[in-house]
Order: sequence, then C-alpha cells, then structure tokens
Amino acid sequence: DGGITQSPKYLFRKEGQNVTLSCEQNLNHDAMYWYRQDPGQGLRLIYYSQIVNDFQKGDIAEGYSVSREKKESFPLTVTSAQKNPTAFYLCASSTGQGHTDTQYFGPGTRLTVL
Amino acid sequence: GQNIDQPTEMTATEGAIVQINCTYQTSGFNGLFWYQQHAGEAPTFLSYNVLDGLEEKGRFSSFLSRSKGYSYLLLKELQMKDSASYLCAATDSNYQLIWGAGTKLIIKP
Repeated sequence: DGGITQSPKYLFRKEGQNVTLSCEQNLNHDAMYWYRQDPGQGLRLIYYSQIVNDFQKGDIAEGYSVSREKKESFPLTVTSAQKNPTAFYLCASSTGQGHTDTQYFGPGTRLTVL
Repeated sequence: GQNIDQPTEMTATEGAIVQINCTYQTSGFNGLFWYQQHAGEAPTFLSYNVLDGLEEKGRFSSFLSRSKGYSYLLLKELQMKDSASYLCAATDSNYQLIWGAGTKLIIKP
C-alpha cells in the first residue's frame, strides 16, 4: 500500500538535545512538507521541498533543519535552537503539480521536551 | 496579510445537518481545501474547490464563492464518527496552503 510513514509516533527529548524526525513516502511524490501543529492554531509550514536536493524555508524555519537526499525521504531535525519545540509534527507529500495539488499527510510525531 | 477564519467549535446532533463556514483573504487564490482531522491523527483530504459553486461527495458537500472569499462544508446525516476538527486551507498565488485553525465539531446523540 502506498502512503506516508513517520516515526516515532511519540518522542521525548531533554532540553539542549537535537532530535531527528523521520518521514518516508512511497507515493512517488515530488513535493514534501513539514508542518507544526499547536493547539488552537492552524498548521504552520516549517520547510518544504519540491525536488530532490532542494528545499525552501517555510514560515517558521528557525531552529529546524531538513535534508532531501532521496525522493522518498525528508527528515526534519529539531535543534536546540528551537525555543519551544513541544508540538505535533506532520509530514505531507504531494505530486507538486500546481493548483490541484492535494497534500497527503503522515500520522504525525508528537514531540515533548522535558 | 493572509488570513483564514473559521469558528472554533460547533455542536450538532446525530442525524442532523451542519454547515461549517470559512472565510479567507489570500494574495492570489488557487483553490480551497477541506480536511478532516480526528484528535491525535493526521488530517485527511475531504474536498477541493476552485470554481464557484457546490461540489457534492456523498454526505459531505463543499461550496465556494470566490467573489466573497467564502466557503462552507456541509455535513448531512451526521454520525458520531464525524466528531473531529475540520480544517479549511486556501492556496495562494504561490500554491502555498494557508491554514485555518480548524473547527472542532462535537456530535451529540
């Protein structure tokens, strides 16, 4: 079955530690996205990539980093520079083909900083 | 600036009909999406509108008025499993999605 997987589902981190969230898709999608979701707020875009080896900052990229070495994978690193990292992180992918481009989401990773 | 407004919470009765409204202001417009999100889970795609009018898909319908910057999601024959948050997202001129905060729908028996 095609889909998007994220791991782990729950992640706990001590302050000052970097942590990497995994996102893999087998939908053959060109575009991939990372969002952060906080209670009472809309999804906020962290980074997105429209093609392998290229990515752009979203609205809240500070304290995060990404890589896109393979079409299937788009890992997100939450660095110690991110001041308030506790949140629900969602990865999405799409064909990247313009205005009818529907984004499909992975199950999410809930990160808690202790 | 770019903005999406939708009610924070709505309550409806099982078997009834509910309409969830969404107004948007974006720099350019390339369509509007509705997603459903159950608590703790990923959003799942419900509908996409780019032309004015009503799109019907089973118990769910979505309406768009581009001139008014307005959309609604209509849910008929409500079931308990429809209890979820409903997210409205508009696509701007760069094909980026601008997301609303979501409407939490509570279904009562």
